[in-house]
Amino acid sequence: DTEVTQTPKHLVMGMTNKKSLKCEQHMGHRAMYWYKQKAKKPPELMFVYSYEKLSINESVPSRFSPECPNSSLLNLHLHALQPEDSALYLCASSQDRTSGGSYNEQFFGPGTRLTVL
Amino acid sequence: DAKTTQPTSMDCAEGRAANLPCNHSTISGNEYVYWYRQIHSQGPQYIIHGLKNNETNEMASLIITEDRKSSTLILPHATLRDTAVYYCIVRARFNDYKLSFGAGTTVTVRA
Repeated sequence: DTEVTQTPKHLVMGMTNKKSLKCEQHMGHRAMYWYKQKAKKPPELMFVYSYEKLSINESVPSRFSPECPNSSLLNLHLHALQPEDSALYLCASSQDRTSGGSYNEQFFGPGTRLTVL
Repeated sequence: DAKTTQPTSMDCAEGRAANLPCNHSTISGNEYVYWYRQIHSQGPQYIIHGLKNNETNEMASLIITEDRKSSTLILPHATLRDTAVYYCIVRARFNDYKLSFGAGTTVTVRA
């Protein structure tokens, strides 16, 4: 299984809502990532988890709250978002160096298209 | 990570080879060349990587010049499904987590 799945595919939420994005992989990867992609721009890294621990937070506002409950799952909790947070949110996973792999070969999911009204 | 320069866009005829250039004149000895692509509204897809030897897989070939200052990704028989943004990234293989995507080349395959 070389797939990263993300749910939901599309999400529309108001600025006062709380919602969550979900990502799952069963490739045994121990590094998992959240990226944000605005229209016609390249993906930008938000968070990195390594062995279920938060390793990188790219100064992301606290209205985005990541969670890695186990080695296969990655969540992104959303609260009090702004319309400018509307974007494609991509999850990715990769091997870890300790397993002889490289972080550079990342497997991406199809993304969640988020619209904040 | 070394800086890369790619053309903004290019067209290719269906069935013909697509040659995508990438300049990386400041590449250092331990840095690899990676290629990803992103088809519209999908997540990026890893294509291939190489250090100095030419590489080939089921998707593409990667040709790296002898001085390693530039490379070319070759899609041997482009199809309409190869229409995508192609990203060239130069990084050391065993480094930190931050994979940074540049603007990439928008490749349009025309029938």
